[in-house]
Amino acid sequence: LAKTTQPISMDSYEGQEVNITCSHNNIATNDYITWYQQFPSQGPRFIIQGYKTKVTNEVASLFIPADRKSSTLSLPRVSLSDTAVYYCLVGEAGSYQLTFGKGTKLSVIP
Amino acid sequence: GAVVSQHPSWVICKSGTSVKIECRSLDFQATTMFWYRQFPKQSLMLMATSNEGSKATYEQGVEKDKFLINHASLTLSTLTVTSAHPEDSSFYICSARYSSTDTQYFGPGTRLTVL
Repeated sequence: LAKTTQPISMDSYEGQEVNITCSHNNIATNDYITWYQQFPSQGPRFIIQGYKTKVTNEVASLFIPADRKSSTLSLPRVSLSDTAVYYCLVGEAGSYQLTFGKGTKLSVIP
Repeated sequence: GAVVSQHPSWVICKSGTSVKIECRSLDFQATTMFWYRQFPKQSLMLMATSNEGSKATYEQGVEKDKFLINHASLTLSTLTVTSAHPEDSSFYICSARYSSTDTQYFGPGTRLTVL
């Protein structure tokens, strides 16, 4: 499983766009990228998943460059309720397992 | 869609007793479920992979005789912590694999406190 590296913490003001970048230099050809959000004392919540280029859903966008060695989660116009830990994970299609890193603690400031 | 539930959400038990935690995929079938443990201010650690109808695969360092996993149906996996001790106190989280997208969806977690 490819190891991921992401910032330990980030601060943002309400209403701003937040971009969290994750590096995964040894991502394999069949690996996909998944982001989760976790609030204290809750299970991780699925945000978005992608393999290449750009993926967008109702809550976020995921940008993956051509070399796929990094990915950026973009959260538009964050609110206080977006304060959470965000995990970037790389999964191998078919192996099913995910290895959680330390994640990025996002603090949204009023 | 893709909802996973856990029961109970919290449990307090005496040292030496056994505790069973249920994990259900409510709106999809999951041949593979996972059990994680999370200590305060730490990340999730995978304990075991549970496959329907077969024995679970445990991660290194996880005692299979202490953490019994049963995945008897495509929507239910159970984790039994046997002879629980205070050091087993933790937040236990399950996930179920949605095969169409290879995405894991997580339950809300179970807080276990062993006195």
